[in-house]
Amino acid sequence: DTGVSQDPRHKITKRGQNVTFRCDPISEHNRLYWYRQTLGQGPEFLTYFQNEAQLEKSRLLSDRFSAERPKGSFSTLEIQRTEQGDSAMYLCASSVGQGETDTQYFGPGTRLTVL
Amino acid sequence: GESVGLHLPTLSVQEGDNSIINCAYSNSASDYFIWYKQESGKGPQFIIDIRSNMDKRQGQRVTVLLNKTVKHLSLQIAATQPGDSAVYFCAEKGKSSASKIIFGSGTRLSIRP
Repeated sequence: DTGVSQDPRHKITKRGQNVTFRCDPISEHNRLYWYRQTLGQGPEFLTYFQNEAQLEKSRLLSDRFSAERPKGSFSTLEIQRTEQGDSAMYLCASSVGQGETDTQYFGPGTRLTVL
Repeated sequence: GESVGLHLPTLSVQEGDNSIINCAYSNSASDYFIWYKQESGKGPQFIIDIRSNMDKRQGQRVTVLLNKTVKHLSLQIAATQPGDSAVYFCAEKGKSSASKIIFGSGTRLSIRP
């Protein structure tokens, strides 16, 4: 399967712990995005990378959140000192990075539960 | 601010009938719209998109209609099948960002046998 992959698929943690998620985009996709989705809602944009450069961050991305894409391929999203309000599905997407339409393809997501 | 909303949160359709899912958007400057399908436990799956210079676009069993006058978007699914059961999101490519997608809250489509 050459689609976007995410790991882990599920994560249960206790409040105050740190968690890290990984996203592997479609090969040769230059752009990589992180979204968060809570139950019954549409995904909300968090941040995106053009190659290794993080070009935009949402106000939703508090200082407890950090994302990296060190080599312009896979990306990690870390949440420090997790809170119950961080419980959500974290989605990664990738796109070629050309043209105005530039379709984004999503991975299966990582479901985070903070106890 | 920008927002994309849906008229109905749920839609129940008889198998074999056509489905119509509606969406309203508020940002008249938006010029690109996308429909995604999300099945339970999966990420959103791209269905079809449309630029603002078009009012209709067809895919395989799906048609998207855009009415810029009333800022309305619809997704039509022909001959609805059980596999079409999912939550459908309309989304907008934000004008203020090169890449950010703004999603609505979704419509759940259920199929009656």
